[in-house]
Amino acid sequence: DGGITQSPKYLFRKEGQNVTLSCEQNLNHDAMYWYRQDPGQGLRLIYYSQIVNDFQKGDIAEGYSVSREKKESFPLTVTSAQKNPTAFYLCASSVSETGNNEQFFGPGTRLTVL
Amino acid sequence: GQSLEQPSEVTAVEGAIVQINCTYQTSGFYGLSWYQQHDGGAPTFLSYNALDGLEETGRFSSFLSRSDSYGYLLLQELQMKDSASYFCAVRGPSGGSYIPTFGRGTSLIVHP
Repeated sequence: DGGITQSPKYLFRKEGQNVTLSCEQNLNHDAMYWYRQDPGQGLRLIYYSQIVNDFQKGDIAEGYSVSREKKESFPLTVTSAQKNPTAFYLCASSVSETGNNEQFFGPGTRLTVL
Repeated sequence: GQSLEQPSEVTAVEGAIVQINCTYQTSGFYGLSWYQQHDGGAPTFLSYNALDGLEETGRFSSFLSRSDSYGYLLLQELQMKDSASYFCAVRGPSGGSYIPTFGRGTSLIVHP
């Protein structure tokens, strides 16, 4: 089955610790994205990548970092510099940023910082 | 940049028709999309409009008027399982790319 996987589904961390969220896709998509969703809010773009070894900041990149060493993988690190990291994190991919840009989303990781 | 407005909540009864509106502001327009998200789940793509007019996909239709910077999602023959959040997303230029910006979402509550 083709799709996007995110792990873990729930993650708890102590304040001040960095944490890395996993995102893997086997859809052979070029573009990948990370979004943050807070209760009652829309999806806010953190980072996106259109091709391997290249990525761009989204609207709320401060306190986050990413890498794109492989086409299939786009991990997100939430650093201690992120002031309010508790949120629902969604990873997505699309064939490219052209066409209808249909995005396929993973199941999400709910991060709670204690 | 891009900004979108959509109602925070809409309620309807099973079997009815409901329309969820979306107005947007963008410096360049490359399409309006709609996504559905059930509580705690992943958003799923519903439709995309790049040109004016109505696109129909089963019980769901989406409309776009570029001159009015306006679109809507129409859900017919509502079912309980349609209770979810619906997001519109507009694609516009951003740093040389054309990535979507999402609205805050409309919570649709379907009553029996």
